[in-house]
Amino acid sequence: DLVLTQSPDSLAVSLGERATINCKSSQSVLYASNNNNYLAWYQQKPGQPPKLLIYRAFTRASGVPDRFSGSGSGTDFTLTISSLQAEDVAVYYCQQYALTPPRTTFGQGTRLEIK
Amino acid sequence: QVQLLESGPGLVKPSETLSLTCAVSGYSISSGYNWGWIRQPPGKGLEWIGTFVHRGSTNYNPSLKSRVTISVDMSENQFSLRLTSVSAADTAVYYCARVVYGDWSFDAWGQGALVTVSS
Repeated sequence: DLVLTQSPDSLAVSLGERATINCKSSQSVLYASNNNNYLAWYQQKPGQPPKLLIYRAFTRASGVPDRFSGSGSGTDFTLTISSLQAEDVAVYYCQQYALTPPRTTFGQGTRLEIK
Repeated sequence: QVQLLESGPGLVKPSETLSLTCAVSGYSISSGYNWGWIRQPPGKGLEWIGTFVHRGSTNYNPSLKSRVTISVDMSENQFSLRLTSVSAADTAVYYCARVVYGDWSFDAWGQGALVTVSS
């Protein structure tokens, strides 16, 4: 089965400090045909829909501040917030895509708070 | 700028059919892109339901496939979700969303519609 596991489940970081969230897939999301990793990151604040931050592992979506960055390949990925701002308090999800059959799954979420 | 708006009954009885519509504005869905449905039970994580591919096919979550239909009405610029034989486990906020071109991530979302399954 296609499983994405995020770590940690929750995280508390001081303002201005770095926050790091990990995402591990049960199978590789790197497609050799185009060398793309189909892994995305979202931010969700209470009462709001998720907001796309990163897609294809490291491409920032339009309008996303550059303090958000994505890295990794294959099965292991990381979302980094370089300098935590108060407005970054949210739940973060990763998402992967599998080709056969075509389907997508989300990680369980990581809650980020201010220390 | 594309906008999506979900609509439909907020309360559905067990064993009945859940039906939701997503109206798209600011973009013609006949022009391209893929479109999807995602749900989120209260206080829980996100679950992909299915995606309509612009070429005319659909992909569904294997765990829901036997109960789900996604259809598109190009003339009304909207797409719809039908989920049959619902139970309390189907209570969730249902989101419609646009898929990033050439990808499977979702870059534009509706605000979500809470559907409660209860008698």
